[in-house]
Amino acid sequence: KQEVTQIPAALSVPEGENLVLNCSFTDSAIYNLQWFRQDPGKGLTSLLLIQSSQREQTSGRLNASLDKSSGRSTLYIAASQPGDSATYLCAVFSGSARQLTFGSGTQLTVLP
Amino acid sequence: SQTIHQWPATLVQPVGSPLSLECTVEGTSNPNLYWYRQAAGRGLQLLFYSVGIGQISSEVPQNLSASRPQDRQFILSSKKLLLSDSGFYLCAWSRGTGSTNEKLFFGSGTQLSVL
Repeated sequence: KQEVTQIPAALSVPEGENLVLNCSFTDSAIYNLQWFRQDPGKGLTSLLLIQSSQREQTSGRLNASLDKSSGRSTLYIAASQPGDSATYLCAVFSGSARQLTFGSGTQLTVLP
Repeated sequence: SQTIHQWPATLVQPVGSPLSLECTVEGTSNPNLYWYRQAAGRGLQLLFYSVGIGQISSEVPQNLSASRPQDRQFILSSKKLLLSDSGFYLCAWSRGTGSTNEKLFFGSGTQLSVL
């Protein structure tokens, strides 16, 4: 059974700092890994999707990497802004039923 | 373009009352549909998924059930709510292509409080 872990559970940084969020998964037989953002009381917004054959994806100030063999992914946020404050969720798409298994998230606070 | 609608946004129900949450998708056909629950301080848990009309798979034995009466309609139900059913419920869809770039798109969620 696929399990996804995110570290740290919470992170507080000053504005302008670069930061890294970590995600690990137990079963490397994945189709893709997705990073989402969730604002309080809201649904999920897709940030980046890395296919199993890819090593990284970039969108603006966000860069996500994937090391499938070691079961790890990182989300790098450059020059953080207060508007980046949210919970970031990592999810792995895997299994014969193609299910998305989520980590418990990292709650990010960027202080102005 | 595709859109997903989920309602209601918030719901307060007494213990023992019934539940019906509805989700519809527009702009696509034969999507895979999903119901997730997010309990306070915890990750998202897959409750049900469906690959077609009338085809429902349950991931977690519980007090809830799901139905897919139409291609783009997914309903989450309960006959008698429990306190432990409280949480944030999210509907999602994907194209069901099985490709490695298959994305899930989420609705805006329903905050359910059972009192």
